Amino acid sequence: NAGVTQTPKFRVLKTGQSMTLLCAQDMNHEYMYWYRQDPGMGLRLIHYSVGEGTTAKGEVPDGYNVSRLKKQNFLLGLESAAPSQTSVYFCASSYPRVDGTIYFGEGSWLTVV
Amino acid sequence: AQSVAQPEDQVNVAEGNPLTVKCTYSVSGNPYLFWYVQYPNRGLQFLLKYITGDNLVKGSYGFEAEFNKSHTSFHLKKPSALVSDSALYFCAVRDMGTGGFKTIFGAGTRLFVKA
Repeated sequence: NAGVTQTPKFRVLKTGQSMTLLCAQDMNHEYMYWYRQDPGMGLRLIHYSVGEGTTAKGEVPDGYNVSRLKKQNFLLGLESAAPSQTSVYFCASSYPRVDGTIYFGEGSWLTVV
Repeated sequence: AQSVAQPEDQVNVAEGNPLTVKCTYSVSGNPYLFWYVQYPNRGLQFLLKYITGDNLVKGSYGFEAEFNKSHTSFHLKKPSALVSDSALYFCAVRDMGTGGFKTIFGAGTRLFVKA
């Protein structure tokens, strides 16, 4: 049972480079999320999606873009990476019509040098 | 606005002793409350939830949490701690004010269980 799968798990980028984090879920969940986790900051919501073809900004959306072309996939893009984007990124999904329990991926460790 | 507070950055307990990880919340309306656990280098895992019903809810790995409406608290408890319980614990509330799209997480409490 795969759940939420993120790729890549680790990546080192140079300042100014671009990359895309991929997320896939096999639970037919409507809602998907991208969070970042930084020491002392807890989890912060970057962007979220309430359904295929929709996206919305979270708490810290600047410097990121997202797309949800298919229900099961949610992509997070960094157009021009900055050292401040060094973080651990978590994709997650939920089916809020039930109770909103969130299911997380294993995380993607990104370092921008 | 909805909010969650975890007043302790770290909780230390000896193996075999009971543990409590504290959480208080502020919501409008009925709260949907959750606890998640994060082991090192892993994603968060759902532990338990309170939606309605009994104030004492039981979850995975022997954990339970008590919903106290008058104190707006949802403390996580376990009668006998294990070294393997050492992890980062997050309390969370579903933000019904935005249509339930978002979950607000506390800052996390690191639990350290000493053998």
